[in-house]
Amino acid sequence: NAGVTQTPKFQVLKTGQSMTLQCAQDMNHEYMSWYRQDPGMGLRLIHYSVGAGITDQGEVPNGYNVSRSTTEDFPLRLLSAAPSQTSVYFCASNPFRDRVYEQYFGPGTRLTVT
Amino acid sequence: AQSVTQLDSHVSVSEGTPVLLRCNYSSSYSPSLFWYVQHPNKGLQLLLKYTSAATLVKGINGFEAEFKKSETSFHLTKPSAHMSDAAEYFCVVSDRVNFNKFYFGSGTKLNVKP
Repeated sequence: NAGVTQTPKFQVLKTGQSMTLQCAQDMNHEYMSWYRQDPGMGLRLIHYSVGAGITDQGEVPNGYNVSRSTTEDFPLRLLSAAPSQTSVYFCASNPFRDRVYEQYFGPGTRLTVT
Repeated sequence: AQSVTQLDSHVSVSEGTPVLLRCNYSSSYSPSLFWYVQHPNKGLQLLLKYTSAATLVKGINGFEAEFKKSETSFHLTKPSAHMSDAAEYFCVVSDRVNFNKFYFGSGTKLNVKP
């Protein structure tokens, strides 16, 4: 199993540009989520999904869109990039069944918005 | 509402001495608690987890944590620090009622001196 994969690893955008961060998992996990990591703030939840066709907002959803058309993929779209979205983005997945399971994280995408 | 407070943003120890990283949580329901480690410019790796079984939890690399409901704490300990333990550590809380949303503490950076 490849686990959770993310592309790209690095990205530089200009203010106002849009882009999609890709996330895929091959563990058949129902639950997938996106976080952003900023210094001194830990990881903050952007959006999450408990299965194909179901998404919901986390703590910091503004400026981001998600969709979940398949169990495997959970892309994160930045609609109009802003410097405040400069961050490291992590995708995670875990089973969603009878109890809470630990999350498996991707390697991260480092995004810089100029 | 769920939240996690990591009481120290930086901890410095000498190699071979004990490590204590402190975590307090708030949860309206029976929590699941996790500790993750992040080495510089790397992803997140699970150290250990508590999901309502034994209150003393053993993890990888000699780390352990004790769930104390009366103190709402889940402190991470290791008897003897190694240079390779230098990293950032995150305490995380989740529960089934809140759809497995994971809430991260702000992190504790552990420095290990030779």
